[in-house]
Amino acid sequence: EVQLLESGGGLVQPGGSLRLSCAASGFTFSSYAMSWVRQAPGKGLEWVSAISGSGARIYDGASVKGRFTISRDNSKNTLYLQMNSLRAEDTAVYYCAKPERENSYGDWDYWGQGTLVTVSS
Amino acid sequence: EIVLTQSPGTLSLSPGERATLSCRASRSIVSSYLAWYQQKPGQAPRLLISGASSRATGIPDRFSGSGSGTDFTLTISRLEPEDFAVYFCQQYANSFTFGPGTRVDIK
Repeated sequence: EVQLLESGGGLVQPGGSLRLSCAASGFTFSSYAMSWVRQAPGKGLEWVSAISGSGARIYDGASVKGRFTISRDNSKNTLYLQMNSLRAEDTAVYYCAKPERENSYGDWDYWGQGTLVTVSS
Repeated sequence: EIVLTQSPGTLSLSPGERATLSCRASRSIVSSYLAWYQQKPGQAPRLLISGASSRATGIPDRFSGSGSGTDFTLTISRLEPEDFAVYFCQQYANSFTFGPGTRVDIK
C-alpha cells in the first residue's frame, strides 16, 4: 500500500526557516518524480516544487524560486522541502504527491495527509 | 503560464442528478495533460481523471472526463451523497497549474 507521511510543519516567524519531510513507502520511490503542493487556508491548490526520481532535475514554482529547495534521499525513501525566508503568504497545508506513472510528473494519484505551516509573528 | 478557469463556481444539485463541470485553459493543453481532482473538507485531493479522460484506479464509472485543446469537462452521471465536494482541474503540460475549483453542494 502506497503511503506518504509528511512531517515538520509548525509555527515560524516571518523570515524564518523550516524543513518538511515526506516519508514514502509501498512503491519504488527512486522511480518516481515527486512534488510538493500547498493549499492556503480556505483557498485553492498551488504546485510548489518537483524533483525527478534521481534528483538530477528540479523545478520550482515562481512564488518560491530562490527561497525553497526540494531534495530527496532515495536511500531513505524520503522527500524534503527546505523553506527559507518564509513569508505570511507561505502559510498553507503542504502536501507531498506522487504521480500515477514512473515517467510522469503531474498526475498525482497519491497524496500525503498534509502538514500545516503557519508563518506569523 | 497556463491559466485554468472553472465554471460554475458552485453547482447546487440533488442526489441522482447529473453534474457537468467545465474547465477552460488560456491556451491549448498539449497531449491532453489535464487532470481532475475531488477534495472534501480536511482531506487531501483525490485523483479522478488523468489525460483528460482516463479514470484513475478505483474511480467509479459515473465519473467521466472529456475534451481537448482548451475546453474540458468532468461529468458525474448520477450524483451520490459522497460526491458533494470541491472539484479542481489541473494541467501538467506546461509546469503545473490548478483551476480555482467548482463546489458541488446539495440543493
